[in-house]
Amino acid sequence: EVQLVESGGALIQRGGSLRLSCAISGFTFSDYAMNWARQAPGKGLEWVSYISRRYNIVYYADSVKGRFTISRDDARNSVYLQMNSLRDEDTAVYYCAREWPGPDGVDVWGQGTTVTVSS
Amino acid sequence: DIQMTQSPSAMSASVGDRVTITCRASQGISNYLAWYQQKPGKVPKRLIYTASSLQSGVPSRFSGSGSGTEFTLTISSLQPEDFATYYCLQHNAYPYTFGQGTKLEI
Repeated sequence: EVQLVESGGALIQRGGSLRLSCAISGFTFSDYAMNWARQAPGKGLEWVSYISRRYNIVYYADSVKGRFTISRDDARNSVYLQMNSLRDEDTAVYYCAREWPGPDGVDVWGQGTTVTVSS
Repeated sequence: DIQMTQSPSAMSASVGDRVTITCRASQGISNYLAWYQQKPGKVPKRLIYTASSLQSGVPSRFSGSGSGTEFTLTISSLQPEDFATYYCLQHNAYPYTFGQGTKLEI
């Protein structure tokens, strides 16, 4: 069974840092690109970041560029999101999601982990 | 950045109705578009990929169409479990972008 399990969400002070993890099982992690997306309370979905398979090519939403860093460890079957200089508007449920090569896109999502930024 | 304009933002419908939701891309995205369903407190679930391919296990009353800049999600006969929020996602170019969502209510 394909599973993505996020962890690391917490209540954190504005300006602080947090590292989210997503542990995967049930598929060959190194064959897939991975994404992070988020959803603020009562709001829609927002794509956050992407990391490719093999060459670790990364992309970010403008809203997090320069503050967030995505990485992966294929040996540990995990993808990470390092979040620095956190702002109130970063408060959200953060999801990791698997992406197929080519046009098939993002299919499976984790259950999410909650980040709350407080002053 | 590619903007995805989804409409309507909310709608009311009845069981058995035929419903259509539209996403318009600000530039061509070929068929790099997916549709997701999200129920309150739940994880998004993919319904359609490559604009018109039905995800395995998803009922055939769901269908998608379109290419380029105009895309539609159609539910042919609404069932009680279909009342949810629906999102489109373009993954043709970075940053990926979601539509604003369509809340489908009874």
